[in-house]
Amino acid sequence: EVQLVESGGDLVQPGGSLRLSCAASGFTLSDSAMSWVRQVPGKGLQWVSSISVYGGRIKYADSVEGRFTISRDNSQNTVYLQMTSLRSEDTALYYCVRESGGWYGSSFADWGQGAQVTVSS
Amino acid sequence: DIQMTQSPSSLSASVGDGVTITCRTSQSITKYLNWYQQKPGKAPRLLIYAASNLESGVPSRFSGSGSGTDFTLSISSLQPEDFATYYCQQSYSNPYNFGQGTKVEIK
Repeated sequence: EVQLVESGGDLVQPGGSLRLSCAASGFTLSDSAMSWVRQVPGKGLQWVSSISVYGGRIKYADSVEGRFTISRDNSQNTVYLQMTSLRSEDTALYYCVRESGGWYGSSFADWGQGAQVTVSS
Repeated sequence: DIQMTQSPSSLSASVGDGVTITCRTSQSITKYLNWYQQKPGKAPRLLIYAASNLESGVPSRFSGSGSGTDFTLSISSLQPEDFATYYCQQSYSNPYNFGQGTKVEIK
């Protein structure tokens, strides 16, 4: 069974930094591209960032480009999201997601339970 | 960026009803379209990928269709566990936007 467990969520002041971790189990991490998707409570879903199997291809939403860094350590079965220069609008539940690739692009096949990030003074 | 427009934003239906949710994109994405279900307090769940392919374990009352810019998610006979919010999402190009969601409520 695929399991994705996020950690590192916290309350942080504007301008601060935080690193989220996603511990993966039940599958071979080096077989899957991974993403982060966030959700403001009561609102919709927003894709944040994706990283390819060995990290050679990385993409970010414009709203986090230059502030967030996605990375992975396949040997440790862990995916990371380093967040800097945090803003109030970054407040959200951050989901770690396993992608499933196919002929018509990737789908977000498996989701963690999320890590809450709150940016407030 | 590709804009996603779901309709309706909410609907009320009874157990046993058939419902259809529509997703329209601002440009053609062929079949690069996925559908998700989210229940309160839970993570989203993949239902349909590549417009019409049922994810493993998803009941056959769910179906997807469409290509280009117009897509639909249909539920043939609503069950109590289907009351949730549904999102479409395009995987054609970065950013991989989601629709705003359709909340399916009990009438």
